[in-house]
Amino acid sequence: KAGVTQTPRYLIKTRGQQVTLSCSPISGHRSVSWYQQTPGQGLQFLFEYFSETQRNKGNFPGRFSGRQFSNSRSEMNVSTLELGDSALYLCASSAGQGTDTQYFGPGTRLTVL
Amino acid sequence: GENVEQHPSTLSVQEGDSAVIKCTYSDSASNYFPWYKQELGKRPQLIIDIRSNVGEKKDQRIAVTLNKTAKHFSLHITETQPEDSAVYFCAANAPFGNEKLTFGTGTRLTIIP
Repeated sequence: KAGVTQTPRYLIKTRGQQVTLSCSPISGHRSVSWYQQTPGQGLQFLFEYFSETQRNKGNFPGRFSGRQFSNSRSEMNVSTLELGDSALYLCASSAGQGTDTQYFGPGTRLTVL
Repeated sequence: GENVEQHPSTLSVQEGDSAVIKCTYSDSASNYFPWYKQELGKRPQLIIDIRSNVGEKKDQRIAVTLNKTAKHFSLHITETQPEDSAVYFCAANAPFGNEKLTFGTGTRLTIIP
C-alpha cells in the first residue's frame, strides 16, 4: 500500500495570510489526525477526523480548522497566520479504533515571515 | 488530559551497548503506548508499540515493557548500532476509541562508534 502523503511539502507565507494543507491517508484508513511539531513544544495534537467528522480536538485556537472528505483525504486550514505558527505539520492515518497504529506522512514545513 | 513525561532528553551510548528510555503517563485509562523514531528531516516512524493487556513485547533488538500499576513504560535497545542514532518519542493514547496521542518530549539518542 502507498504510504501517507502530504502536500505541499514546504510553504512560506507572511503574517495574516491563510494556508491550507492536504493529507491523503493510507488506502482503507478512515482516521486522520493532525499534529504540530516545533522544537519548543514537541509534537502536539491538533485534531482528528473519522468518517468526515471531527472526533477529537486539541488545545489550539479556532484559527486552526480542518475537514475530511468522503475518500478520507483531509485538509487543515490555518487563518490569520502568526509567526508562532511556523512548524512542521504532520498528519497520521489509522484504521481509527483507538489502539490502531498511526502512520505519519512526511509533513508540511510551514514558515511564516 | 493525559500527560506523558520522557527521560532522559539526551542519551549517548557506545556502539554495542544498550540504551533505555523511560516514560510515565498520567491517565490510568490509556491503553496503547507506541514508540516512534524520527531521523533528522524525516517523518516519525513506529518502531514498536504495546497495548495494556501485555507487559512486554520484543522485536529483534528492540523491546518495550509496560507497568500499568506504576504507569510507566520503557524502551530498550540492545546491541546499539550507529543507525540507531535518532530522536525517539514515546506516546500514550486517550482511551475509549480515541486516536489522540499525547507525546513525550523526545530523547535524542547518539551512538558513539
